[in-house]
Amino acid sequence: QVTLRESGPALLKPTQTLTLTCTFSGFSFNIRGMCMSWIRQSPGKGLEWLARIDWDDDKKYSTPLKTRLSISKDTSKNQVVLTMTNMDPVDTATYYCARTFYSENSGLYWYFDLWGRGTLVTVSS
Amino acid sequence: DIQMTQSPLSLSASVGDRVTIICRASQDISNSLAWLQRKAGRAPESLIFHASSLQSGVPSRFSGSGSGTDFTLTINGLQPEDFAIYYCQQYNSYPPTFGQGTKVEVK
Repeated sequence: QVTLRESGPALLKPTQTLTLTCTFSGFSFNIRGMCMSWIRQSPGKGLEWLARIDWDDDKKYSTPLKTRLSISKDTSKNQVVLTMTNMDPVDTATYYCARTFYSENSGLYWYFDLWGRGTLVTVSS
Repeated sequence: DIQMTQSPLSLSASVGDRVTIICRASQDISNSLAWLQRKAGRAPESLIFHASSLQSGVPSRFSGSGSGTDFTLTINGLQPEDFAIYYCQQYNSYPPTFGQGTKVEVK
């Protein structure tokens, strides 16, 4: 069964660093075209893409947040990890990991075919 | 960034109804549009990609159309499990962006 599952702290204080883990199963990350993104949704707001890591370790970050984000993978553990520094109450959101699997000329370079259930992170003093 | 605008933001419908949701892009995105469904407590599910191609396993009552800047998601014969929030997403250019969501509620 192909699944994604997010895990991490439910509550953080302002200025702390958030570390989220996406554990995947049912597929290998060591395939050309395999990518994992982090996306969040703040209460009452829309979905916002944050970061992505590709099978070849290429990384991309949201321009407004790039100084605070870091994404990495551990394929031996089937995990992708996102860290976000200097957390603020405005970062309170449900954080999702989402998979992209594209082939050459498919046009699906930024299409998310599989999502995790998400994990709610609250930032409050 | 490309802005995605959905309408309506909410609608009330009954089981068996035909439901239509509109998504408009701020610039031409060809057919690089996806629709996803989100239910509380569950993983969002991708329904449609390339504006009109059904993701594997998605019921045929879901259909998508459009290209360029204007797109439509149609649910023919709404089922009880279809009450959810629907989002469009463009993947034509970086960064990927989403519509605000359309909540489909019970009438």
